[in-house]
Amino acid sequence: QQPVQSPQAVILREGEDAVINCSSSKALYSVHWYRQKHGEAPIFLMILLKGGEQKGHDKISASFNEKKQQSSLYLTASQLSYSGTYFCGTEFWDSGGSNYKLTFGKGTLLTVNP
Amino acid sequence: EAQVTQNPRYLITVTGKKLTVTCSQNMNHEYMSWYRQDPGLGLRQIYYSMNVEVTDKGDVPEGYKVSRKEKRNFPLILESPSPNQTSLYFCASSLNLQETQYFGPGTRLLVL
Repeated sequence: QQPVQSPQAVILREGEDAVINCSSSKALYSVHWYRQKHGEAPIFLMILLKGGEQKGHDKISASFNEKKQQSSLYLTASQLSYSGTYFCGTEFWDSGGSNYKLTFGKGTLLTVNP
Repeated sequence: EAQVTQNPRYLITVTGKKLTVTCSQNMNHEYMSWYRQDPGLGLRQIYYSMNVEVTDKGDVPEGYKVSRKEKRNFPLILESPSPNQTSLYFCASSLNLQETQYFGPGTRLLVL
């Protein structure tokens, strides 16, 4: 039930752009994006809600295609501080448990070099 | 300060010795969850709780127990730890599933 993220890893030079994709086999109600520095807890970036509302970061953007059950995170003009592992989390209805669930992908390691 | 706290931060134990990792949040959040993080596997959910006295299994619940007797606390219990439970554990909380998840600092567990 984990969403699938791609690519698994990406290396950039400062100032370059990157796109990280997240796809699910489930109908989604929201998609979360988090960044984790090595040895630290994940930190919230943004949430995209079904219906188009977006909450989050002003320097990083994202899209949410509900029909395709996919989301993409766009990092433009990358900075050294963008380095880390990016996780998407997907909210879906779990019919087995009769509950909404939030599960995270395996992550995308982003390295920004000077 | 709004935060999620976990204790202990580091723990070395032996196979079969029961242990509890505590998680507490001071934001009056309804939703709390436990994850384990292993290299290459991302964040895998162990258990979650939508509210007091309501808990549900995540994707990897085997070998773990939880309880939610109070809104602020969500302890993770390993009744008989095994080496394959060696991992980095995170607790998280939020108002609901469509709000920010706040993660605790993590607990690094080694089971010998």
